[in-house]
Amino acid sequence: EAGVAQSPRYKIIEKRQSVAFWCNPISGHATLYWYQQILGQGPKLLIQFQNNGVVDDSQLPKDRFSAERLKGVDSTLKIQPAKLEDSAVYLCASSFQNYGYTFGSGTRLTVV
Amino acid sequence: AQSVSQHNHHVILSEAASLELGCNYSYGGTVNLFWYVQYPGQHLQLLLKYFSGDPLVKGIKGFEAEFIKSKFSFNLRKPSVQWSDTAEYFCAVKEAGGYQKVTFGTGTKLQVIP
Repeated sequence: EAGVAQSPRYKIIEKRQSVAFWCNPISGHATLYWYQQILGQGPKLLIQFQNNGVVDDSQLPKDRFSAERLKGVDSTLKIQPAKLEDSAVYLCASSFQNYGYTFGSGTRLTVV
Repeated sequence: AQSVSQHNHHVILSEAASLELGCNYSYGGTVNLFWYVQYPGQHLQLLLKYFSGDPLVKGIKGFEAEFIKSKFSFNLRKPSVQWSDTAEYFCAVKEAGGYQKVTFGTGTKLQVIP
């Protein structure tokens, strides 16, 4: 089966600019997650979707981060405006029911 | 809320040595447990998972993990490591049932010396 697709792979932006990441989950996976992985740390959940509804966004910095999953398939995560501390790898994952996640390759964001 | 502790941040082993990576979690209820591996330059991959049943779980590439409920632990083991096992290993925990989020530990970097 095709994996979780993410784009772009790398992005470098200046602080205060905006950026958007895209994720296409595995077909049939109703649950989609965005994680932030800062260098030297484990992935931290930003937002979890069940179909096109938000299940958990408690750790999403809503003043600058937003995400949507229109039609319950692919999803975009946006940061506006970006800060230096947003430099991280942004991982998208999807899962079918209660099984382990399948992760995408991630987008490495550098904010300068 | 649950949390996960991985006490070893960096482990260096020679090839053929045995491996044990510690993982402890804090959550009083029923949990699902996972180990993920991230090879250099690659994305996270599931090594093994525990949902219920036999607490000794076997995963891919000769890895296994044992769930000890009384110790809130889920340590990862491999009898004989290879250079290709050089990677970062993440333990993760999820409240059982429903669509609860998965919480990851901070990871353990394993370096295997040929």
